[in-house]
Amino acid sequence: EVQLVESGGGSVQPGRSQRLSCVASGFIFDDYAMHWVRQTPGTGLEWVSGLSWNSDSIAYADSVKGRFTISRDNAKNSLYLEMNSLRPEDTALYYCVGSRCSGGTCYFEMWGQGTPVTVSS
Amino acid sequence: SSELTQDPAVSVALGQTVRITCQGDSLRSYYAAWYQQKPGQAPVLVIHGKNNRPSGIPDRFSVSNSGNTASLTITGAQAEDEADYYCNSRDSRRNHLMFLFGAGTKVTVL
Repeated sequence: EVQLVESGGGSVQPGRSQRLSCVASGFIFDDYAMHWVRQTPGTGLEWVSGLSWNSDSIAYADSVKGRFTISRDNAKNSLYLEMNSLRPEDTALYYCVGSRCSGGTCYFEMWGQGTPVTVSS
Repeated sequence: SSELTQDPAVSVALGQTVRITCQGDSLRSYYAAWYQQKPGQAPVLVIHGKNNRPSGIPDRFSVSNSGNTASLTITGAQAEDEADYYCNSRDSRRNHLMFLFGAGTKVTVL
């Protein structure tokens, strides 16, 4: 069974840091680029950050660039998101997502269930 | 502009056909992918590219593409199709690993 299981969410004060983790199972982890996508309650999806299978390519949304760092450990089938200088607007459910590309498109094939992050004083 | 635009909401009678559109400059370069999200659940990929459905997705879901617009069509909508639908694509103006999401369309099956 394909699974992405996130952890590390919780409540944190503004300006502090938090680290999210995601463990993959049931598929070949390093066949996939991996991403973090977040969703504020009642609103839409926002792509946060992504990296290629070998970590050679990394990208961030403008809203988190300079504050968040994405990484992966293929030996541990794991994805991470180090979040620094957190702001109330970073409050969201954070999904770990695996993507593939074919036929002129890339698509987010596998999704975890998400881990909630609340930034509040 | 670097965004994808979707209508906020549409409704469809049970068994009828509904089309959801997604517009954006990135769609001139990349096909969209579409996701279904039901309340309290993670999004699920329903279709991508020209008309590629993952295993288990019924063939009543189809897509079409023209210029800067991608359209998801549900032919013969069922009660279980009531959900939010999001389109996404690569951001053609930025790093190839950057992606955009539309704001989502809420589909109500009457």
